[in-house]
This record gives sequence, structure tokens and C-alpha cells, in this order.
Amino acid sequence: DTEVTQTPKHLVMGMTNKKSLKCEQHMGHRAMYWYKQKAKKPPELMFVYSYEKLSINESVPSRFSPECPNSSLLNLHLHALQPEDSALYLCASSQGSGRAVDTQYFGPGTRLTVL
Amino acid sequence: AQRVTQPEKLLSVFKGAPVELKCNYSYSGSPELFWYVQYSRQRLQLLLRHISRESIKGFTADLNKGETSFHLKKPFAQEEDSAMYYCAPPSGGSYIPTFGRGTSLIVHP
Repeated sequence: DTEVTQTPKHLVMGMTNKKSLKCEQHMGHRAMYWYKQKAKKPPELMFVYSYEKLSINESVPSRFSPECPNSSLLNLHLHALQPEDSALYLCASSQGSGRAVDTQYFGPGTRLTVL
Repeated sequence: AQRVTQPEKLLSVFKGAPVELKCNYSYSGSPELFWYVQYSRQRLQLLLRHISRESIKGFTADLNKGETSFHLKKPFAQEEDSAMYYCAPPSGGSYIPTFGRGTSLIVHP
């Protein structure tokens, strides 16, 4: 399996809801990433997990809470989001070799709408 | 932090015309740069990377250390090349993943 999968594809939630985004890869990659992408903009890094430990948090608000239960799974827990959080949320993985030449493999994204 | 600049937000050409999407980098350290592509309604994917020195879908990119550039070129554009193209500096190790602002390529029939 050489793909990164993400569920759900679409999510509509209210500002008081709690929901989770899921990401899975079975390529043996040890680095996993969450990005936020607004329309016609580049992906913005949110979090990086390396060997199941959070290694980078790009000053993301606490209403976004990442979790890496094992080396194949990455979750993003959402709570009390704002309408401006509506975006495409991308998950990616890479070999995590520690070298500066890791290719990132992206999932299709979850289209999130906050009402 | 490593940074790349894509000066053009939009590039519009006709089918069969040459294409050059510009990318300049402004950091010291590894110049192992990448080009990613995002076709409409498809996932972001690697197009090519400097270390591989390969040609993908007719695209090539040469690292020019003197000009600190990694421009993406194709001699004859096709309609299916219409997409968003992102230049990216190295990620992994001590490098924080980031992307250029992207260039939207539109190839007209």
C-alpha cells in the first residue's frame, strides 16, 4: 500500500462540536504531518510527528489537538473551532530518515466546514 | 528558516508553448529542492526533486547555485499540465517543511 488515506472526505461541524480527523499510512514511514490549506494558498504546516513523538508544533491554537497512537495512524482532534478554521486539512508522511531529502506523500485531504 | 520564492502567482500559456515556472531559494544549507504539483481535485504529489535529476512528464529542473534558482521547465506545454505547482525547500532532519506560495499554470488549447 503506497497511499496515505484520510477520513472523512468532508466534515461539517458547529462551533461547539468535537470531531476527529484520521490519517493512515502503511508505507513504514516514521514522520507524519498535518497541514492546513486554504483555497489557492500553499499548505501551512501545523504539526510534525517523528517516531510517534510530536517534534514540531507551529504555534497552532489548542482547539486543534494532534495524536499519534502508533506509527501508522495520525489523528487531529477538533474542539470549539471557529468559522475561519474552515479549510482543507492535509495529512502527509515521509520516511523520517532524518535526512533533508525526504519526499512527502500526501493524503487527499479532509474538507472541513465550520458553521 | 529555509525559504523559497515563486514570483509568479499565475502563468498562462498556449498548448505547445515552452513553460518555465520560477523558484528562487534564499537560505544556506542543503539545496535539495522539490517541485510538488496539485492537479484539480487530486492530491498534492511530488513532481520531481533535485537529488533525483530525473525528468517527469517532460518537466525538468536544474539547480543553479549562482542564481540560487530551481526553475521548472517544459519545452512543450500540454493542457493536462494545468495545475498548481509548488516549489519546496528540503524537509526532514532539522528542516521545517514549508512551500513556496505556488504558481498556477493554465495551458490553453
